[in-house]
Amino acid sequence: QKEVEQDPGPLSVPEGAIVSLNCTYSNSAFQYFMWYRQYSRKGPELLMYTYSSGNKEDGRFTAQVDKSSKYISLFIRDSQPSDSATYLCAMGLNNDMRFGAGTRLTVKP
Amino acid sequence: SAVISQKPSRDICQRGTSLTIQCQVDSQVTMMFWYRQQPGQSLTLIATANQGSEATYESGFVIDKFPISRPNLTFSTLTVSNMSPEDSSIYLCSVARGTNEKLFFGSGTQLSVL
Repeated sequence: QKEVEQDPGPLSVPEGAIVSLNCTYSNSAFQYFMWYRQYSRKGPELLMYTYSSGNKEDGRFTAQVDKSSKYISLFIRDSQPSDSATYLCAMGLNNDMRFGAGTRLTVKP
Repeated sequence: SAVISQKPSRDICQRGTSLTIQCQVDSQVTMMFWYRQQPGQSLTLIATANQGSEATYESGFVIDKFPISRPNLTFSTLTVSNMSPEDSSIYLCSVARGTNEKLFFGSGTQLSVL
């Protein structure tokens, strides 16, 4: 079993849809959780980070962490074509980071 | 955040040659990290580079294949030596900022080995 599991997609939605991206993990010791967005031919860009269970909202993005289920989610409201990218989940313990393989999202106008 | 300049952005190389990737950060950082991103796979840490000391390599990566330099607190290079097609990948430089767990990445180097 991989330490971090992420559905690679691809995921295609119409503009304005709510997008749900998910990751599961096996190491209950992970302390912090992040989501990165990666456009084609670019490096990953930090989108959201959180240290605790619950929800964290930033504009159209909401990061959700459920430590008891070892499950994290990223919700995108009112999705836009500019949200089309690969989304990577990441989690860490001290300076040790683990990444999901990424979900490729396409938002169609 | 951090401004990280990485070059070259892409290159096509012949088998058996070497390529050096440069990473420049906009301010001083203690640790710089080099990652590999292969299609459909998660980011894999190659090594951690601290200024003034030998880089620390992860399991599966060796210094002879991936020599790293860290001459100062804003610059590092990764060399991919004696390349084979299996080395075709995206290579990413990153730094940690804030409480040391937020990683910021350069734009990456897309390497293709023929």
